[in-house]
Amino acid sequence: LAKTTQPPSMEAYEGQEVNVSCSHTNIATSEYIYWYRQVPHQGPQFIIQGYKDYVVNEVASLFISADRKLSTLSLPWVSLRDAAVYYCIVTDRGNAGAKLTFGGGTRLTVRP
Amino acid sequence: EAAVTQSPRNKVTVTGGNVTLSCRQTNSHNYMYWYRQDTGHGLRLIHYSYGAGNLQIGDVPDGYKATRTTQEDFFLLLELASPSQTSLYFCASSPGTGGREQYFGPGTRLTVL
Repeated sequence: LAKTTQPPSMEAYEGQEVNVSCSHTNIATSEYIYWYRQVPHQGPQFIIQGYKDYVVNEVASLFISADRKLSTLSLPWVSLRDAAVYYCIVTDRGNAGAKLTFGGGTRLTVRP
Repeated sequence: EAAVTQSPRNKVTVTGGNVTLSCRQTNSHNYMYWYRQDTGHGLRLIHYSYGAGNLQIGDVPDGYKATRTTQEDFFLLLELASPSQTSLYFCASSPGTGGREQYFGPGTRLTVL
């Protein structure tokens, strides 16, 4: 069973706020939520991580539901440069053998 | 920002050829990883290491060897390359234990004819 479920694609116009959802219904108490994005011809880039509640940094914000089964990555004022595949990953932060497992992600298309 | 470099950026070889992909990170990270990315499969972990001389097997290790010679350098070896290994290869490093944020290199595109 996949650990996370995301919509395969989304579209937005420049200047809009975009919210990308991720379902992780079987998340364990030891697991954290990570978001990465990948633009064409580049490696994935770490965006944000969280365990519960609300996290914000200079790039994005992350809301995690109270039961931790759903998270939402929010990108304010998207530009064409934000067009990428966004990956939600759940993994054990403290386990030395833990791995990042990249699923299909959400392909965000940004229109001018 | 963590710096991870890979070489070569592009490589073409023939079936049965011998290929070495190189990765260097300059941020004193303990963990380094090799992934391959193919359409329809996302990124898949080949091998990883948590220090010089250490090697851990990932999810798709068959046909690949790896060696971590120093804290900075991690190599991926394809001793008998096959067309199924045509892919985009990424190296990554991480400062801490396996679940922490990883920093990726620019990738190497390998074509096996």
